[in-house]
Amino acid sequence: AQKITQTQPGMFVQEKEAVTLDCTYDTSDPSYGLFWYKQPSSGEMIFLIYQGSYDQQNATEGRYSLNFQKARKSANLVISASQLGDSAMYFCAMREGQKDSSYKLIFGSGTRLLVRP
Amino acid sequence: DGGITQSPKYLFRKEGQNVTLSCEQNLNHDAMYWYRQDPGQGLRLIYYSQIVNDFQKGDIAEGYSVSREKKESFPLTVTSAQKNPTAFYLCASSTPMRGLNEQFFGPGTRLTVL
Repeated sequence: AQKITQTQPGMFVQEKEAVTLDCTYDTSDPSYGLFWYKQPSSGEMIFLIYQGSYDQQNATEGRYSLNFQKARKSANLVISASQLGDSAMYFCAMREGQKDSSYKLIFGSGTRLLVRP
Repeated sequence: DGGITQSPKYLFRKEGQNVTLSCEQNLNHDAMYWYRQDPGQGLRLIYYSQIVNDFQKGDIAEGYSVSREKKESFPLTVTSAQKNPTAFYLCASSTPMRGLNEQFFGPGTRLTVL
């Protein structure tokens, strides 16, 4: 069963505007972590932001923030003030279990973001 | 600078030949991983290793083999048994000693089987 779902294959956003990339997940484990990675055309995966299932606050990292709605099992990535360099594929991923005991990440299918000048 | 290196960036092989992809890290991470990515899709885990001389199969291990003789190295062999080996291969590493245990990725190897 697919555990990470990204329903937007592609998105457009105007430069300097904000954009939300959707991610929903499915797990029965009360302890889990959610990650967002950026993959530019070069292919390398770049870690952006992390949200733990027990974290009380939504994670923020510069222009990236995570809209974590636990009851809905969603972990949407919000990019504020989009820049041309934000054009890339974005992947949501989940790790089940405690961070020091579980190693496996499950990835979604990704969303391609294109920032228009 | 610490990081993960993968070589070569592009690799071409004839059908039926085994090929080994290199992955080296100098981050002193205990865990290493191999993923496969097909066009327009997410990453799928092939193998992972939590410690030297130990590794586990991921979701798509058939047709692949690995070894972990040194902490810094985790080579992946794509064997002739892998029916559709053309793909982008990414290596990653992580350590639980670093808070989130997030995975750091190498630049990838694009394998094309002719």
